[in-house]
Amino acid sequence: DAGVIQSPRHEVTEMGQEVTLRCKPISGHDYLFWYRQTMMRGLELLIYFNNNVPIDDSGMPEDRFSAKMPNASFSTLKIQPSEPRDSAVYFCASRLQGSNEKLFFGSGTQLSVL
Amino acid sequence: GDSVTQMEGPVTLSEEAFLTINCTYTATGYPSLFWYVQYPGEGLQLLLKATKADDKGSNKGFEATYRKETTSFHLEKGSVQVSDSAVYFCALSLSGGSNYKLTFGKGTLLTVNP
Repeated sequence: DAGVIQSPRHEVTEMGQEVTLRCKPISGHDYLFWYRQTMMRGLELLIYFNNNVPIDDSGMPEDRFSAKMPNASFSTLKIQPSEPRDSAVYFCASRLQGSNEKLFFGSGTQLSVL
Repeated sequence: GDSVTQMEGPVTLSEEAFLTINCTYTATGYPSLFWYVQYPGEGLQLLLKATKADDKGSNKGFEATYRKETTSFHLEKGSVQVSDSAVYFCALSLSGGSNYKLTFGKGTLLTVNP
């Protein structure tokens, strides 16, 4: 299996632009998570899905952030409009229910908003 | 709320030195506890876990014991290698029903010098 695949690996954009981050979870996994990592705040859970349904989005910082999971093999995290304080590494992770809670992480997207 | 506190880094050691990274937690129930490791440029990987009090998780020479009385899960390794240089995250999970998520500490950067 190729693991959790995220794209792009790096994204540089200007303030005010729309940013879309993409994730393909491991085939068969029924949970998908989006995390944000910064030096100041560490690793924060933004939102997670179970069977494509958003379960907990309490970590989404504000309305500029949105996430979708249209099918079991694809999810997006969108920021519109982007701001410099959104600069961070965004990780996607997936898990199979009953797998003793082991998360599989992608390599992350390094986002820089200028 | 549930939280994880781990010692701040960075930690710098010489090869073959003994490693301890402290981790304590606050949780409303009986969590499962984890250590994840993040190598440079990669996503997090599960290193070890323990699901109940007095359990010891171990992997690649690393160990951690679930101590309910002190709400701790300290990571130890008797002899570190240069290849152990990474960021280490302590995490907890309180799963039940449809509510599942990992709560991470802020991470501890370990650098091992030859």
